Amino acid sequence: QQQVKQSPQSLIVQKGGISIINCAYENTAFDYFPWYQQFPGKGPALLIAIRPDVSEKKEGRFTISFNKSAKQFSLHIMDSQPGDSATYFCAATPNTNAGKSTFGDGTTLTVKP
Amino acid sequence: DTAVSQTPKYLVTQMGNDKSIKCEQNLGHDTMYWYKQDSKKFLKIMFSYNNKELIINETVPNRFSPKSPDKAHLNLHINSLELGDSAVYFCASSHRDRGRRETQYFGPGTRLLVL
Repeated sequence: QQQVKQSPQSLIVQKGGISIINCAYENTAFDYFPWYQQFPGKGPALLIAIRPDVSEKKEGRFTISFNKSAKQFSLHIMDSQPGDSATYFCAATPNTNAGKSTFGDGTTLTVKP
Repeated sequence: DTAVSQTPKYLVTQMGNDKSIKCEQNLGHDTMYWYKQDSKKFLKIMFSYNNKELIINETVPNRFSPKSPDKAHLNLHINSLELGDSAVYFCASSHRDRGRRETQYFGPGTRLLVL
């Protein structure tokens, strides 16, 4: 059973457009939701993260929107740039010492110039 | 300066061989992981160690054996390599903040090709 469902699998956006990636989870024990960004040939790296006590977190052009009742969260990339082209993973982590992060399947974003 | 390092970066080998991948982190983290990333980019967790103890062992063939000689190192040994083992293997370490929220730090990956 996939605990974190991510969509779309791939996304093509024009430069300057808005990229939106969605994730849904089932386990109500999750209480931390990071997004990781992976460039080709590199390992994933933390991009931005949100706790469920807030509905939105913004860092520069990147915004996470969180809907606790729907158990959904999404990443919005405003003014998308070719340099944003990467694979994005959402993740969810429970608030237990031994609980591991569960990753979505990833979204490959291509921003066309 | 590299926080999580892996060696080798590339590994090309014949089917049936045995190979090892090494991982080291200098972040002082207690938890380390091995992930397999296939051609579709899925990140599949394989193992997790906490303070040198195995805490997660997903459904992985027993040809894969992790070893943690100390908290900063987690190596992966693979016996009798098969074509399906071809993938990118990532090591990661993690820490939890006061709220037990986990952030993972990934290495650069080891690209394994089995011929």
